[in-house]
Amino acid sequence: EVHLLESGGGLIQPGGSLRLSCAASGFTFRNYAMTWVRQAPGKGLEWVSTLSASGVSTYYADSVKGRFTISRDNSMNTLFLQMNSLRADDTAVFYCAKDPDRSGSYLLDHWGQGTLVTVSS
Amino acid sequence: DIVMTQSPDSLIVSLGERATINCKSSQIVLSNSKNKNYLAWYQQKPGQPPKLLISWASTRESGVPDRFSGSGSGTDFTLTISSLQAEDVAVYYCQQYYTTPPTFGQGTKVEIK
Repeated sequence: EVHLLESGGGLIQPGGSLRLSCAASGFTFRNYAMTWVRQAPGKGLEWVSTLSASGVSTYYADSVKGRFTISRDNSMNTLFLQMNSLRADDTAVFYCAKDPDRSGSYLLDHWGQGTLVTVSS
Repeated sequence: DIVMTQSPDSLIVSLGERATINCKSSQIVLSNSKNKNYLAWYQQKPGQPPKLLISWASTRESGVPDRFSGSGSGTDFTLTISSLQAEDVAVYYCQQYYTTPPTFGQGTKVEIK
């Protein structure tokens, strides 16, 4: 059974940095692209970033480009999201999600429970 | 970016009745070469993460009840719940995965009358 467990969220001041992690199990992690999606409180879903299975190809939403960095450690079955220069409008639950494709199809077939990031002074 | 617009924003349906949610994309999400629509539907129950229900506009995921069906092509798509059950109370999102950035509809909240 696919299991994704996010961690690293919390309260951070504007301009600060945070690193999210997503521990994966139940599938061969190194074979699948992975994605971060966020959901602001009471709002809809927003795609943030996708990383190919190999870790070579990265894709970012314009709203986070230059501030967020997606990465993975296939030996540890873990996906990361380094978030810098955080703003109040980054406040959201961040979900990691599995892609059924190696290169990144943007179809999201399994999701974690999410971790809440609150940016506030 | 492709804009996904769902209608209605909310839906109140009696148990056992049909629920229909529409999704319109601002551009075609059909690949002519593959003859596939890059359109997915997700269900998000209160306090839970989204769950993939349907991919390729009409392919139900394993374990999804057959009362859920997807249809449509090109720019116009529909999610139908043929006989609404109490456990179907949720927000439903469509998503195009045809091009970068992938985009979601604003969501449709389904409630029981």
